[in-house]
Amino acid sequence: EVQLLESGGGLVQPGGSLRLSCAASGFTFSNYAMHWVRQAPGKGLEWVSVIISSDVHTYYADSVKGRFTISRDNSKNTLYLQMNSLRAEDTAVYYCAKWLQRQASFDYWGQGTLVAVSS
Amino acid sequence: EIVLTQSPGTLSLSLGERATLSCRASQSVSSSSLAWYQQKPGQAPRLLIYGASSRATGIPDRFSGSGSGTDFTLTISRLEPEDFAVYYCQQYGSSQWTFGQGTKVEIK
Repeated sequence: EVQLLESGGGLVQPGGSLRLSCAASGFTFSNYAMHWVRQAPGKGLEWVSVIISSDVHTYYADSVKGRFTISRDNSKNTLYLQMNSLRAEDTAVYYCAKWLQRQASFDYWGQGTLVAVSS
Repeated sequence: EIVLTQSPGTLSLSLGERATLSCRASQSVSSSSLAWYQQKPGQAPRLLIYGASSRATGIPDRFSGSGSGTDFTLTISRLEPEDFAVYYCQQYGSSQWTFGQGTKVEIK
């Protein structure tokens, strides 16, 4: 059974940093691109970032480019999101999601972790 | 960046009625790159449809997707109680992924 378990969320002051983790199990983690998608309170889904299985290629939404860094440790089956220079508008539930390329869709999602940026 | 616009924002329908949800792209999207998701309060999204018209594993056949180019549709043939939720379309292309703003299907 595929499981994605996010952790690391919490309350942080504007300008602060936080690192999110997503522990994956039930599939060969190293073979799949992994994403972060966020959802501000009461709002829709916003794609944040992707890391391709090879760890060579990463892409970011313009809203987080230069502030967030996605990475992965295939030996630990874990995805990360380092978030720096946080702003109030980064407040959201952050989901990690597995990308299934042959279906061009997110086939599994974690339960999410809440990041709140406030003074 | 391709913008996806969903309509209507809210759809108020009764049990057993047919729901038709629209997703319009700001430029042409490959059908193979268009997906639909369902999200219930407090839950993560769930994949319903990929490739514009293929149902994901375990999705009932009352859900169907269609469309091409810039206009895509999700249809729920007969609404069941568990279908009242928010629905999102999503596309992928040129190393960018975007979601529509969502359509809420609520009980009338």
